[in-house]
Amino acid sequence: AIQMTQSPSSLSASVGDRVTITCRASQDIRKDLGWYQQKPGKAPILVIYAASSLQNGVPSRISGSGSGTDFTLTIDNLQPEDFATYFCLQDYSYPWTFGQGTKVEVK
Amino acid sequence: EVQLVESGGGLVQPGGSLRLSCVGSGFAVSTTYLTWFRQAPGKGLEWVSAISSRGRTDYADSAKGRFSISRDNSNNTMFLQMNSLRVEDTAVYFCARRRGPAYFDYWGQGTLVTVSS
Repeated sequence: AIQMTQSPSSLSASVGDRVTITCRASQDIRKDLGWYQQKPGKAPILVIYAASSLQNGVPSRISGSGSGTDFTLTIDNLQPEDFATYFCLQDYSYPWTFGQGTKVEVK
Repeated sequence: EVQLVESGGGLVQPGGSLRLSCVGSGFAVSTTYLTWFRQAPGKGLEWVSAISSRGRTDYADSAKGRFSISRDNSNNTMFLQMNSLRVEDTAVYFCARRRGPAYFDYWGQGTLVTVSS
C-alpha cells in the first residue's frame, strides 16, 4: 500500500498568515492527489484535485502543487473560515490512502 | 443539485450485520464511480470500498470478506453490506462520488456505526 506522510500534524496560525502543508507519497503517484478540508462533525470538502486544480467555489488563496511523491497545499492570507483539518488523499492505486491530517488552529 | 444521503447506521453487537444506504440525487448512480470512506471517532479518514461505473468492486483489506458494495440503479442507491462487524469498525461512514483521479466532489453527511456489546 502507498503510504502518505503528511506534515505537520498541527499548526497554529493567525488570520492573514500563509500556511503550508505537505504530503509525501511512498512511491510515485503522478498527480493523483487531492486535498480535503474537514470541520468538526462535518463531511470533508474537496479543495484541490489532481494535485493543483482548484475545485469550483474554493477561494483562490488556496493552492496546491507537486507531482510524483511530494505535494504541497498552501493557504495564503488565512481567513477565519480556513481553520479546519486538512487531509491529502491518493487514489493512484488501491488501497486508496489518506495522510494523517493537519489541524490548522488559531494562534 | 447533486446530493448524497447516507442511512442505515446504528448500534450493533460484535459479530452482527448492518446495511448502509447512500441515495444519490442530481446524477445517475449507474454511470458513476462511488465509494465508501469511514472515520473512527477522533481519527483520520480511511477508504473502505468502491464500485466503478462498470461495476468493478474493490475493498480495503479490513473490509475484504466481510463487506460487500453494490448498487440499485432503479432507486439510484449504493449499499454497503457489513457482516461480522468488529469493535474496530465503529466509525462514521461517508459515501462519496468520484469524478476523476483524486476528484471526490460530493460527499454525504455520514452515518454513525457503533459496534459494541
